[in-house]
Amino acid sequence: SQQGEEDPQALSIQEGENATMNCSYKTSINNLQWYRQNSGRGLVHLILIRSNEREKHSGRLRVTLDTSKKSSSLLITASRAADTASYFCAVPNSGNTPLVFGKGTRLSVIA
Amino acid sequence: DGGITQSPKYLFRKEGQNVTLSCEQNLNHDAMYWYRQDPGQGLRLIYYSQIVNDFQKGDIAEGYSVSREKKESFPLTVTSAQKNPTAFYLCASSYLAGGGLGTDTQYFGPGTRLTVL
Repeated sequence: SQQGEEDPQALSIQEGENATMNCSYKTSINNLQWYRQNSGRGLVHLILIRSNEREKHSGRLRVTLDTSKKSSSLLITASRAADTASYFCAVPNSGNTPLVFGKGTRLSVIA
Repeated sequence: DGGITQSPKYLFRKEGQNVTLSCEQNLNHDAMYWYRQDPGQGLRLIYYSQIVNDFQKGDIAEGYSVSREKKESFPLTVTSAQKNPTAFYLCASSYLAGGGLGTDTQYFGPGTRLTVL
């Protein structure tokens, strides 16, 4: 069955550095989504990339998708302490069923 | 303000009790979802609904029940049959854009943290 898996599980960087997290999945997809979750809060949608797109930007976020490797990466440039959160990728499952979420990458940005 | 609300924020349950978590949205979304999140873990799907008076089981439906009597509301009942209910519960909704549930962006509520005493 479909599964999204983020790597690394946890990442700690200094403010101003770039943060890169990756997502791998098992079966073919038509889109991949990234969400952010602040501690103790709900998830917030960040970006959706379709299978015919290789790269997409939104502000300081850059997402890439390599369907041949079944993987995606999320890059946050010039990170800020406020970027500290968990980041989840979500991929479609088979049939008309909801997204499948990974376990997330916990990002800590140290001021 | 458009959005999705969950109440209560914190809920304590004694063993053997049923409790109901509220989820309301005013986004006019057709689909609604319930997820469970354990510490350091991802989201696991409990139930989802695409239309009023219809819902489907997710991956971990045992010990939970839902209803969808109104488009805006999707309450979740945690029954006494759920042996380990302590967790963070998230409700979400999405607009059915026609490409399937797996292509729709989900909007999440703030969550309810349930603790069994």
